[in-house]
Amino acid sequence: GQNIDQPTEMTATEGAIVQINCTYQTSGFNGLFWYQQHAGEAPTFLSYNVLDGLEEKGRFSSFLSRSKGYSYLLLKELQMKDSASYLCAVGPGNTPLVFGKGTRLSVIA
Amino acid sequence: DAEITQSPRHKITETGRQVTLACHQTWNHNNMFWYRQDLGHGLRLIHYSYGVHDTNKGEVSDGYSVSRSNTEDLPLTLESAASSQTSVYFCASSPRGGSDTQYFGPGTRLTVL
Repeated sequence: GQNIDQPTEMTATEGAIVQINCTYQTSGFNGLFWYQQHAGEAPTFLSYNVLDGLEEKGRFSSFLSRSKGYSYLLLKELQMKDSASYLCAVGPGNTPLVFGKGTRLSVIA
Repeated sequence: DAEITQSPRHKITETGRQVTLACHQTWNHNNMFWYRQDLGHGLRLIHYSYGVHDTNKGEVSDGYSVSRSNTEDLPLTLESAASSQTSVYFCASSPRGGSDTQYFGPGTRLTVL
């Protein structure tokens, strides 16, 4: 079976750092994806990890440990516009991405 | 610029009616997907296609159908709309295999009364 877990909600302060965790159990693994979704909008691609380690892209970084079935998305220097849902998704292989239910992040002043 | 579009953006219909939601992409991607998104459930896969004339059932396919007659379009049909199908529907496409990065359309908000 496929199972992806991430916290439902998080709150963080503007200018701070926040880490959103994702654990997964899937029948195969061909990469882990993070998407951002603002309220009322479509998900947009943020990052992709297929090898263990940290991938940095500006204020956003994503980490993967395949042996632990674990990933996190790190957001630095939080801005109000970062308030959104963050979706973790796993590519099992030849079948489509499996999405977690998303983490709703609220950035407060 | 290449893009993926959905129409209509908003739709209100009555129980029992047939409804078709359109999805059109100009990226020439082989793979296309339909999801529904509901509070508490996240994105759930309805149907997907890996190329012309190919269609596959997803996690929540009952009551829905798709057909793929060309690369650009994957319309989603609700044969007999039910109130449980009130949701936001997203279409997505990807260039390579099933586990490749997906790019989403803007969504259709469907209300079944």
